[in-house]
Amino acid sequence: GDSVTQMEGPVTLSEEAFLTINCTYTATGYPSLFWYVQYPGEGLQLLLKATKADDKGSNKGFEATYRKETTSFHLEKGSVQVSDSAVYFCALGGSYIPTFGRGTSLIVHP
Amino acid sequence: DVKVTQSSRYLVKRTGEKVFLECVQDMDHENMFWYRQDPGLGLRLIYFSYDVKMKEKGDIPEGYSVSREKKERFSLILESASTNQTSMYLCASRSGQTNEKLFFGSGTQLSVL
Repeated sequence: GDSVTQMEGPVTLSEEAFLTINCTYTATGYPSLFWYVQYPGEGLQLLLKATKADDKGSNKGFEATYRKETTSFHLEKGSVQVSDSAVYFCALGGSYIPTFGRGTSLIVHP
Repeated sequence: DVKVTQSSRYLVKRTGEKVFLECVQDMDHENMFWYRQDPGLGLRLIYFSYDVKMKEKGDIPEGYSVSREKKERFSLILESASTNQTSMYLCASRSGQTNEKLFFGSGTQLSVL
């Protein structure tokens, strides 16, 4: 069945550091790929999305590229801020039940 | 702004009580979902509904039931609350297109004492 594996956290960075959160997936067909973000005390919200191979999703300085050859959708940001501290979830679409990774907690220190 | 609204942000109940968690969406979405979120376990699907009066079990349906009598409302019911059901509960909705994003509510933190 479909599955998503993302790196375990917490990831702890200093402000302005470079961020990578790894995500790999197993899926049949051609699913859309998503990154959701959950800020403290809130529900999840969409951060970015890619719908087909080689698409790059981007939002708020975050980027991720849909790599079919490596079945990956790694999240990157060039310079993180304290306000980026949150939990990040990688997810697959394409079926009735979306598949989520377990989430990666990001902590950014000033 | 589109919205998924969960009726309570925090809820405290006693063991054995019947608990209703309500979720309403204003986007005319076909699909609705109930998840619970626990530290280290990510999101686990309890039930989902692909249309009015339709429901399917998720990964952890035991001890829960759901109701979807109207398209905009999806209720999660804990028939007899137990302490191991203390958790954050998240409702989500989506159009009928499986490659579209989910819209989440803010969550209900339920404590069962």
